[in-house]
Amino acid sequence: DGGITQSPKYLFRKEGQNVTLSCEQNLNHDAMYWYRQDPGQGLRLIYYSQIVNDFQKGDIAEGYSVSREKKESFPLTVTSAQKNPTAFYLCASSMGQGYGYTFGSGTRLTVV
Amino acid sequence: GIQVEQSPPDLILQEGANSTLRCNFSDSVNNLQWFHQNPWGQLINLFYIPSGTKQNGRLSATTVATERYSLLYISSSQTTDSGVYFCAVDTGRRALTFGSGTRLQVQP
Repeated sequence: DGGITQSPKYLFRKEGQNVTLSCEQNLNHDAMYWYRQDPGQGLRLIYYSQIVNDFQKGDIAEGYSVSREKKESFPLTVTSAQKNPTAFYLCASSMGQGYGYTFGSGTRLTVV
Repeated sequence: GIQVEQSPPDLILQEGANSTLRCNFSDSVNNLQWFHQNPWGQLINLFYIPSGTKQNGRLSATTVATERYSLLYISSSQTTDSGVYFCAVDTGRRALTFGSGTRLQVQP
């Protein structure tokens, strides 16, 4: 079955450590996206990529980094520079602008 | 950037009742989607509807692009409809911008 997979589902990190969240899709979608959701809030855009080897900052990119070396993969690194990293992180993909999004099941990151 | 406002923020219904959720946006859009987020956090795409009307079972949606709003109708609500409903829009420049959501609770 085609879909989008995020791993791990839960992640605990010590302050000062970098951590990488995985996002893989087998939908042959060109575009991929990372969003952050805080409790009781909507989703905010961190980074997006419309094509391989290219990505753009979203509204809250500070303290995060991404890469898009393969069409199927769009990993997100939460760096120690991110002041408040505890949140629910959602990855999505689409065929491009003007098409519906498919979301992964998310990763809950907790800084301890 | 574009502003997306959803109303009401919270809604409690008895099973079997109907409801209407509203989404207002501040600029012309070429992409509008409605999502349902279940209690486990999974987001499901309900409709891709930049204009016009669509129906899928007990759910339907209407977007009036010229007046910059969209409505999501839920008929004969069931407890499984509970969760948060998000409207998200894109002006064509980059990626979806989400509203803050409507939290729906359907009581048996």
